[in-house]
Amino acid sequence: DAGVTQSPTHLIKTRGQQVTLRCSPKSGHDTVSWYQQALGQGPQFIFQYYEEEERQRGNFPDRFSGHQFPNYSSELNVNALLLGDSALYLCASSLAHPDTQYFGPGTRLTVL
Amino acid sequence: TQLLEQSPQFLSIQEGENLTVYCNSSSVFSSLQWYRQEPGEGPVLLVTVVTGGEVKKLKRLTFQFGDARKDSSLHITAAQPGDTGLYLCAGAYGNNRLAFGKGNQVVVIP
Repeated sequence: DAGVTQSPTHLIKTRGQQVTLRCSPKSGHDTVSWYQQALGQGPQFIFQYYEEEERQRGNFPDRFSGHQFPNYSSELNVNALLLGDSALYLCASSLAHPDTQYFGPGTRLTVL
Repeated sequence: TQLLEQSPQFLSIQEGENLTVYCNSSSVFSSLQWYRQEPGEGPVLLVTVVTGGEVKKLKRLTFQFGDARKDSSLHITAAQPGDTGLYLCAGAYGNNRLAFGKGNQVVVIP
């Protein structure tokens, strides 16, 4: 039974570029949440997707957007990259009702 | 804003010693989860506590949820080098969104 998977593992971009990160949830899970973890910090909630819609959102600008597909996989898009967007981006999956979240290995994004 | 404060931020102990780390908040959470994270990897779930006053044991790790569901502690008995890592607590609120602390970095010296 595969856990949460994310791709790519590492990514290097320059300021102003756009990036797309991908996540496949744990088998049987229908809800995907995205978190940003800066160096030395705990993860910060970006947004959550359920039934292909953004269900709730943290305090992140509109440059951060997402999508969920019918198979429950999800993408995180970031436009107009800033140096401060450099972080580990984590995807977590769970069931719709309040439930434990399981994290993927993350995508390390470096913006130069 | 839901804030969790974890203390101490850094702890270094000898193999075989006991340790306790803390996670405190002024907010009430529906549940609280503890994760361990290795450098450059995603957090790995250790335990979820739901009921105020609940105590859960995972081998040498003991987790306690405060009576008011605002705080939690993690106690490790006879620490091993394999216990080294960043311990993150996360409170669940709203529609199952998590608020994390900055973590307790634990180093166990052989």
